[in-house]
Amino acid sequence: AQTIHQWPVAEIKAVGSPLSLGCTIKGKSSPNLYWYWQATGGTLQQLFYSITVGQVESVVQLNLSASRPKDDQFILSTEKLLLSHSGFYLCAWSRGEEQYFGPGTRLTVL
Amino acid sequence: GDSVTQTEGPVTVSESESLIINCTYSATSIAYPNLFWYVRYPGEGLQLLLKVITAGQKGSSRGFEATYNKETTSFHLQKASVQESDSAVYYCALGTGNTGKLIFGLGTTLQVQP
Repeated sequence: AQTIHQWPVAEIKAVGSPLSLGCTIKGKSSPNLYWYWQATGGTLQQLFYSITVGQVESVVQLNLSASRPKDDQFILSTEKLLLSHSGFYLCAWSRGEEQYFGPGTRLTVL
Repeated sequence: GDSVTQTEGPVTVSESESLIINCTYSATSIAYPNLFWYVRYPGEGLQLLLKVITAGQKGSSRGFEATYNKETTSFHLQKASVQESDSAVYYCALGTGNTGKLIFGLGTTLQVQP
């Protein structure tokens, strides 16, 4: 069975500080991977997707970047956080048309 | 652009009552999008409830049903008799292509009272 793990579960960070969120998928080789973001009261927005190692496509520009250093790992990061980065970040993988989501990371930027 | 509009919550119903959560979509980048309902139960992650990828077809799961209506660009979620365990946030979503892009609605919080 496939499992998806995100870390950390929650973060409280200062404006201007760096950020790194991680996502690991086990039990699925060469998955398509996705990062989503949900602001409080907002909808889920897809930020990035990756079809293969080392390749990431940006969907929405939010002064964030993503990387896929390994087949089963997807990293979301920025060097300088903004207040507007606060929210809930979800990682997902897909099988056909269906996407399967991780538990998410709650980010609060102060 | 592509968008999804769904019933604004919270929606409160009593156990054993019927439920409909409306979802309409606008798809400009693709003629026949895939349509999904996702659900987040309290304390759990977002999970797929049902999907329909062919216009005119109906999807069902856990007593919920939704029909892909291309004429009215709708994908309403229905259940004949809700249970307290159905309390959750429901998201309608539209799939726009093979890159896996999903467009979500704002979500509808359903509260089922015993």
